[in-house]
Amino acid sequence: DAKTTQPPSMDCAEGRAANLPCNHSTISGNEYVYWYRQIHSQGPQYIIHGLKNNETNEMASLIITEDRKSSTLILPHATLRDTAVYYCIVRVDQAGTALIFGKGTTLSVSS
Amino acid sequence: EAQVTQNPRYLITVTGKKLTVTCSQNMNHEYMSWYRQDPGLGLRQIYYSMNVEVTDKGDVPEGYKVSRKEKRNFPLILESPSPNQTSLYFCASSPRRLNQPQHFGDGTRLSIL
Repeated sequence: DAKTTQPPSMDCAEGRAANLPCNHSTISGNEYVYWYRQIHSQGPQYIIHGLKNNETNEMASLIITEDRKSSTLILPHATLRDTAVYYCIVRVDQAGTALIFGKGTTLSVSS
Repeated sequence: EAQVTQNPRYLITVTGKKLTVTCSQNMNHEYMSWYRQDPGLGLRQIYYSMNVEVTDKGDVPEGYKVSRKEKRNFPLILESPSPNQTSLYFCASSPRRLNQPQHFGDGTRLSIL
């Protein structure tokens, strides 16, 4: 069963920040939050992951609530190329474990 | 450039004709995995390998075989393909160290008639 809940779709204007929420109320203490995205049937692309601290890289920021029951992926300046399905995945960081992809959020960025 | 390469990208074939989808990575990753993606079902793991000569079943292994004779290659073999194996297939790899993301290939779209 999926451990995360995401809205099925979101819209965002080009140039604005896209904030994608994810609920993971049953997350365990040793489980990380990972975000991947898939652009139109291409291979999933890793974006960012974190345990409990907020994280930032060149693609996005990840904000995890203090109780770790939810998180938000932030794309600071969305472009048309960011249109994709975004997956929030909760997993134990154990080498070799499969990624369990849920239905994700379809983000549509428009000009 | 670090990448996972799958071949072929597209294949239409007939029931029962053995086929192999190749996967190669140039990042010296220990862990490799195969997924299939079907509408409404998401990505499901078929087989994975933790290192050379070490493979194990994922969630949907029936009808598939794999081998890991070299670290860089992890071919997916369909000995007798059937129409229910029509799907989009992805190969992925990652280091075996903790806290490492998986890198995916661009996918192989198989149609079994």
